[in-house]
Amino acid sequence: GENVEQHPSTLSVQEGDSAVIKCTYSDSASNYFPWYKQELGKGPQLIIDIRSNVGEKKDQRIAVTLNKTAKHFSLHITETQPEDSAVYFCAADLHLNYGGATNKLIFGTGTLLAVQP
Amino acid sequence: DVKVTQSSRYLVKRTGEKVFLECVQDMDHENMFWYRQDPGLGLRLIYFSYDVKMKEKGDIPEGYSVSREKKERFSLILESASTNQTSMYLCASSFLGQGNMNTEAFFGQGTRLTVV
Repeated sequence: GENVEQHPSTLSVQEGDSAVIKCTYSDSASNYFPWYKQELGKGPQLIIDIRSNVGEKKDQRIAVTLNKTAKHFSLHITETQPEDSAVYFCAADLHLNYGGATNKLIFGTGTLLAVQP
Repeated sequence: DVKVTQSSRYLVKRTGEKVFLECVQDMDHENMFWYRQDPGLGLRLIYFSYDVKMKEKGDIPEGYSVSREKKERFSLILESASTNQTSMYLCASSFLGQGNMNTEAFFGQGTRLTVV
């Protein structure tokens, strides 16, 4: 079946440094790539997403890049702050054999980001 | 704001009990999902519903069933709870994408179920 691989599983950075999380996907028809942040005791929340008609998208300190040829996408957080500490999940949408949308997302296994003050 | 509400934050049940996890969304979304979250395994889809009374198995449906009698409510049922079903359960909803477009999923806060 289709899958999404996510690395690293844990990441520790100093406050103010940058953090990068990488994902690769297998469904060549995927065209929607969201990133979710899950704080302790809460459900995942969307922080940024990208569709395959763009290669990069930024929102303040957060950016996502997409390389459709290589089937990988990355989350970049600059000037990290302690409140960025959380588990981050990447996801890719799943399509049927003929390319039709399934309305389903396949998730990576998560990255625990710890920002040290 | 979209709100997805799960009826319980924490549940402790005994082996063999029938367990109901309830989820309600208030944004008239067509799609609703039940995921299971375990350390190192990410989010795995148990069941998916794209309309009232419609359901589809996800990647790990064994030991679970679902019910969607109303558009806003999606229930996960553990017919006979076992210790290996101890986990965090997350409900999500999304609106139906047009054509080839998939859409953002909105999550509830999760239910941590312990089966003893």
